[in-house]
Amino acid sequence: DAKTTQPPSMDCAEGRAANLPCNHSTISGNEYVYWYRQIHSQGPQYIIHGLKNNETNEMASLIITEDRKSSTLILPHATLRDTAVYYCIVRVQYQFYFGTGTSLTVIP
Amino acid sequence: SAVISQKPSRDICQRGTSLTIQCQVDSQVTMMFWYRQQPGQSLTLIATANQGSEATYESGFVIDKFPISRPNLTFSTLTVSNMSPEDSSIYLCSVLGGSMHEQFFGPGTRLTVL
Repeated sequence: DAKTTQPPSMDCAEGRAANLPCNHSTISGNEYVYWYRQIHSQGPQYIIHGLKNNETNEMASLIITEDRKSSTLILPHATLRDTAVYYCIVRVQYQFYFGTGTSLTVIP
Repeated sequence: SAVISQKPSRDICQRGTSLTIQCQVDSQVTMMFWYRQQPGQSLTLIATANQGSEATYESGFVIDKFPISRPNLTFSTLTVSNMSPEDSSIYLCSVLGGSMHEQFFGPGTRLTVL
């Protein structure tokens, strides 16, 4: 059973913020949310993770709702190199369970 | 961070044969993972491989089909046995970094079964 659901695709204009949603309504209290991206079938790359609080790093921000049933990954200023498949992941103990992914296309 | 290599990078195999995929890490790690990514699909966890114990398989995956070895803290193998065209996928290994938060992935092995 899928632990996360994501829209299959999104477009974003270059330079604008990309907001990628994820639903994880069955998440347990001690399970983290992770975001990875995959470019051209390379190995997935880590972006960010969080448990309850919003998180920000040099790549992105992660906004988690108070009930923890959904989250949003924000790429503040999307570039063409951000075109990739973005995966929302729920971590159960040490295992990562990937969602179906959102294919983000950044448009010039 | 961890640098991971996989061999082979790709292979084309005949139905009914077996292929062993190797995963080498540049540092000692406790936990290694094997994933399958079917064409156009997301990643599916096959099993968790810890050194010194048997691998733990996810639902839908069995040891007879996907035997795994973990002889030391830097190496693991995954064998895809008695292959069929449905086994055509990219197989990726990953490791959990020292922070125990970030997984690092290998480049993958692209397998085509004819």
